Amino acid sequence: GAVVSQHPSRVICKSGTSVKIECRSLDFQATTMFWYRQFPKQSLMLMATSNEGSKATYEQGVEKDKFLINHASLTLSTLTVTSAHPEDSSFYICSALGSQETQYFGPGTRLLVL
Amino acid sequence: RKEVEQDPGPFNVPEGATVAFNCTYSNSASQSFFWYRQDCRKEPKLLMSVYSSGNEDGRFTAQLNRASQYISLLIRDSKLSDSATYLCVVNQGAQKLVFGQGTRLTINP
Repeated sequence: GAVVSQHPSRVICKSGTSVKIECRSLDFQATTMFWYRQFPKQSLMLMATSNEGSKATYEQGVEKDKFLINHASLTLSTLTVTSAHPEDSSFYICSALGSQETQYFGPGTRLLVL
Repeated sequence: RKEVEQDPGPFNVPEGATVAFNCTYSNSASQSFFWYRQDCRKEPKLLMSVYSSGNEDGRFTAQLNRASQYISLLIRDSKLSDSATYLCVVNQGAQKLVFGQGTRLTINP
């Protein structure tokens, strides 16, 4: 099946720093990728839809200036959490839209902001 | 009202038992429906799509009732490896997936 990778798998950073998370589709091209966030014991919540070569579409309540998304190629989307704070600590998961409109999920990135 | 609602459980059942999960969704314009499973600290993985005619994959059977906006998943002859959180997922269009909060299942030996 299609493979999506994320890097890093986990990151610990100090409050106020920025963190970049990469999402790559390894064996297919994805014009559309999605970024989700999951807090403990809660479900995945869509943050934004990332489209190659154009601006991301953010869900209501998600600050576009805080969560910067870049989808510069058909296999790579990045999410940068700017000026991270402890409340941004979460499990960030990306997915890439493949054939037959199936979303393939990356393994997730666990972010801890101290 | 939540867009996708599930009984959070947890369900604790003995190995070999039959387990049923239910899910309701609020958006009648929703286009497609899925069950995912998520293991602890891992990403969700597609278990099966759900169709109005009902579909079966081995020990797993999924049903969709569009009139009632209700989705179900039945697991027969449960195995220890079935222990996970089961997520009801609805595609509301433009590939926007909305996830239920998940139902946690533990199969006991």
